[in-house]
Amino acid sequence: EVQLVESGGGLVQPGGSLRLSCAASGFTFSDHAMDWVRQAPGKGLEWVGRATHKTHGYTTEYATSVRGRFTISRDDSKNSLYLQMDSLKSEDTAVYYCTRVPSGPRAPIDSWGQGTLVTVSP
Amino acid sequence: DIQMTQSPSAMSASVGDRVTITCRASQGISNYLGWFQQKPGQVPKRLIYAASTLQSGVPSRFSGSGSGTEFTLTISSLQPEDFATYYCLQHNSFPLTFGGGTRVEIK
Repeated sequence: EVQLVESGGGLVQPGGSLRLSCAASGFTFSDHAMDWVRQAPGKGLEWVGRATHKTHGYTTEYATSVRGRFTISRDDSKNSLYLQMDSLKSEDTAVYYCTRVPSGPRAPIDSWGQGTLVTVSP
Repeated sequence: DIQMTQSPSAMSASVGDRVTITCRASQGISNYLGWFQQKPGQVPKRLIYAASTLQSGVPSRFSGSGSGTEFTLTISSLQPEDFATYYCLQHNSFPLTFGGGTRVEIK
């Protein structure tokens, strides 16, 4: 069974930094690209970014709204995905989900963690 | 960035109704589109991928169609457990983008 468990959320002041982690299990982590998706309170879903896997050169992609402030990384030896968030703004307040991208033919996210809440406030 | 315009943003419907939700892409995305369902307090669940392929375990009353810039999600006969918010997601090109969501409420 695929399990994705996020951690690291909390309250942070505007301009501050926070690092989220996602522990993956139940599948071969190194075979999958991984995405972060967020959802502001009472709002819709917003794709944050992707960490590709070895076959695609471990590249990263970002939403326009976070590019230059957020950094996604992964450690395949630890089956873990990370999201480093710097220069945080109030509009970054959201539940952050770690998600899995299926391997094989292109397909969208197929598994979600339960999410971790990030609150950016003075 | 590709904009995904989803309509309607909310709707009221009765059990047994046929429901259609539309997503329009600001440029062609082939069939790289998925549909997700999110119930209150729950994480999203993938219903459809490749625009029209039903996720294993999802009831056959759900169907998807479209290609290029216009896509639809249809629920042929709405059931009580289908009241939720639905989102489309384009994964043709980065950055990926979700539609704004359609909240399906009980009439």
